Amino acid sequence: QVQLVQSGAELRKPGALVKVSCKASGYSFSKYGISWVRQAPGRGLEWLGWINVYTGYTNYAQKFQGRVTMATDTSTTTVYLELRSLRSADTAVYYCARDEAGQVPDSWGQGTLVTVSS
Amino acid sequence: SYVLTQPPSVSVAPGRTASLTCGGHNIGGKGVHWFRQRPGQAPVLVIHYDSDRPSGIPERFSGSNSGNTATLTINRVEAGDEADYYCQVWNSGTDHVVFGGGTKLTVL
Repeated sequence: QVQLVQSGAELRKPGALVKVSCKASGYSFSKYGISWVRQAPGRGLEWLGWINVYTGYTNYAQKFQGRVTMATDTSTTTVYLELRSLRSADTAVYYCARDEAGQVPDSWGQGTLVTVSS
Repeated sequence: SYVLTQPPSVSVAPGRTASLTCGGHNIGGKGVHWFRQRPGQAPVLVIHYDSDRPSGIPERFSGSNSGNTATLTINRVEAGDEADYYCQVWNSGTDHVVFGGGTKLTVL
């Protein structure tokens, strides 16, 4: 079955960067992309962007352009999200989700809590 | 940017039918997807492309989409259906995924 296992919770200071990993298994890795979605405490879902794990092509939400990088390691079927210049408003649970074409996140990881606090 | 509007909350008695709406300009021309999120859990896809149910989702869940409104219908509501529900589309104009603000479904 499809499994997306994310790295553990992170605490960062404002201005720092965070890197979250997402290891995929149970499906043909190269045939599906990965979307990243976040959820601030008590708030709704917010899409950060999508990566084609086969070509490395990325499509970032305009709000995060210049602050986010998504990358993939096909040898370990792991996808990474890096977010820089963190501020308190970035405190959220970050989810990776399998997404064939960057249109429908169909299977989700368990989420990674990122807390930004001085 | 494209905006999806969901009512913040809907309440329904057990055994009755819940209708959750998602409004957007000409949303009938887009594929709409619905997610259920129980407290402390990751979202789960319950309807994709307006009305298709992924494997494992009960037949009680159905969807429709026309004009400016998409609807998720849950028949014979159970206590376990209590959750936040999000609609989502892909905006072809920006090539971005867009989520609605979510509806909290309360089972009375």
